[in-house]
Amino acid sequence: DTAVSQTPKYLVTQMGNDKSIKCEQNLGHDTMYWYKQDSKKFLKIMFSYNNKELIINETVPNRFSPKSPDKAHLNLHINSLELGDSAVYFCASSQEAAFSVGYTFGSGTRLTVV
Amino acid sequence: AQSVTQLDSQVPVFEEAPVELRCNYSSSVSVYLFWYVQYPNQGLQLLLKYLSGSTLVKGINGFEAEFNKSQTSFHLRKPSVHISDTAEYFCAVSEQGFQKLVFGTGTRLLVSP
Repeated sequence: DTAVSQTPKYLVTQMGNDKSIKCEQNLGHDTMYWYKQDSKKFLKIMFSYNNKELIINETVPNRFSPKSPDKAHLNLHINSLELGDSAVYFCASSQEAAFSVGYTFGSGTRLTVV
Repeated sequence: AQSVTQLDSQVPVFEEAPVELRCNYSSSVSVYLFWYVQYPNQGLQLLLKYLSGSTLVKGINGFEAEFNKSQTSFHLRKPSVHISDTAEYFCAVSEQGFQKLVFGTGTRLLVSP
């Protein structure tokens, strides 16, 4: 199936730990994104990569580090996790030349920091 | 910078009733407008979009939206809702030429029998 897939779907971890979330898309898109959805369902962009190059970096703590090994993958590494990092993280992708088509979203990773 | 306001955090309706979910945006340039739906514990799915041309756009599942430039609005409507339409609905805007979607705070549509 063509899709944006994220792993893991659920992640429960203790404060202070380091964790990673992986995202892969097989749609042939050249742009990928990370969004954070808080407990009030508000969606905010964190990062965007185009062809492995960082193009959007919103005001995000530097404990968050995205990595794009190729244009089909965008991973999110979080150091020294804090309670406030608990949220659902969504990966998405789009094609630059056809951005008006919209994003394709993954199903999300629910991160709970205890 | 663009922003989106969804005035209603929750809209309760009875099955088969019509519904309108409101969305207003602000931007100094031309925009693309989108509505996404999020079913419980799932990702976001594109319902419909406005790029240019006809101001009335039709989407999936019987939804439609009307772009009103003078009122900077893009309200979502459905003439008759089903229980299965219960979900969170997000309006989003992107300034043309930029690949960044800015979302509203969402409206929870609750359809009851």
